[in-house]
Amino acid sequence: DIQMTQTPSSMPASLGERVTISCRASQGISNYLNWYQQKPDGTIKPLIYYTSNLQSGVPSRFSGSGSGTDYSLTISSLEPEDFAMYYCQQYDSSPWTFGGGTKLELK
Amino acid sequence: EIQLQESGPGLVKPSQSLSLTCSVTGYTITSGYDWSWIRKFPGNKMEWMGYISYSGSTNYNPSLKSRISITRDTSKNQFFLQLNSVTTEDTATYYCARGDWEPNWFAYWGQGTLVTVSS
Repeated sequence: DIQMTQTPSSMPASLGERVTISCRASQGISNYLNWYQQKPDGTIKPLIYYTSNLQSGVPSRFSGSGSGTDYSLTISSLEPEDFAMYYCQQYDSSPWTFGGGTKLELK
Repeated sequence: EIQLQESGPGLVKPSQSLSLTCSVTGYTITSGYDWSWIRKFPGNKMEWMGYISYSGSTNYNPSLKSRISITRDTSKNQFFLQLNSVTTEDTATYYCARGDWEPNWFAYWGQGTLVTVSS
């Protein structure tokens, strides 16, 4: 299985701050990397697919980048609704695997 | 609007079977895509468990292969998870999700249902 290591596991941040979450795969995954957001009420929403493509309706302050084994999600200026859990997920090979999650918290 | 809703017992005893239902509205599960079960453990780790495709074929995570079964009832537009011989380590929130192909991701998720394994 491909292991996905996501860092940090939690991140205190302020409104308006720029933050970056990292995701490292145990082997190259050819950009087959998605990002999801889980709100405190448990709702899970897909954000970014194939490394850098935003889902329709996702604000442009979200962006994704990376290649090979290293990927990242950046939020350019935090809004109140962005404080949530974030997960990366690879789909290069089955079984699909997720990172351990990053909890974005208000500082 | 596509919606998925999990249902089932919130408490299961060790060594018994866990059975959950995912009811889908707004899309017919035989029309396309893969229909997955995913779980989130206390501590936030997430695990893809397996799927049943629109055609009825299945694909399971090898870590669960001996214990898992995913089936469906097309007349009710539902699919099901059965996990046998559960232990306390199977305590998690269980989600059903639609796995799309273009893009290849879990596009729609249920709200999740917490299942606790305890005597």
